[in-house]
Amino acid sequence: DAGITQSPRYKITETGRQVTLMCHQTWSHSYMFWYRQDLGHGLRLIYYSAAADITDKGEVPDGYVVSRSKTENFPLTLESATRSQTSVYFCASMGDAYGYTFGSGTRLTVV
Amino acid sequence: QKEVEQDPGPLSVPEGAIVSLNCTYSNSAFQYFMWYRQYSRKGPELLMYTYSSGNKEDGRFTAQVDKSSKYISLFIRDSQPSDSATYLCAMTAHTGGFKTIFGAGTRLFVKA
Repeated sequence: DAGITQSPRYKITETGRQVTLMCHQTWSHSYMFWYRQDLGHGLRLIYYSAAADITDKGEVPDGYVVSRSKTENFPLTLESATRSQTSVYFCASMGDAYGYTFGSGTRLTVV
Repeated sequence: QKEVEQDPGPLSVPEGAIVSLNCTYSNSAFQYFMWYRQYSRKGPELLMYTYSSGNKEDGRFTAQVDKSSKYISLFIRDSQPSDSATYLCAMTAHTGGFKTIFGAGTRLFVKA
């Protein structure tokens, strides 16, 4: 299916565990992004990537790691999950124009 | 002060009403302005996209940008219950890299 796919849709993990959220896009868009969405804060950029092997920090990068070895994949890893990282995570890509296409999100709960 | 301010609502209107959603911003470097619609438990989807000041119309939706006032609006005509969602404004500055800021979203309910 064409589009942007996130997995898993839901995840519960324990404090201190490493968690990886997956993102895959089928368009070969250069830019990809990870956002978190929290009540009262809206969407906040965690990391973004301009191309394979090029990544940069966003507004709230602490505690997160990204990689982009292939254009179509942009995984986000929480190295040691904390309760403050409980959130809904959205992956997005951007083509030629400046509009984003978002995935359906991963709802992460850290207990 | 936040770079983008958006009233969270909720805004409740009867079916058929004209809806006005607004955002104000502080950074004059923003050049690209977008509106996203987000249904519950879904990702945001791009509704409207405009560059610089002016109006853009797409069916029942009209986006307005007033850069002199740092104010953007989205109008929905003949609102339908299916328009019930959260609407997020967003704006991008392309200044050596780029920066996009999202509003926190306005929750809209259209009652049948």
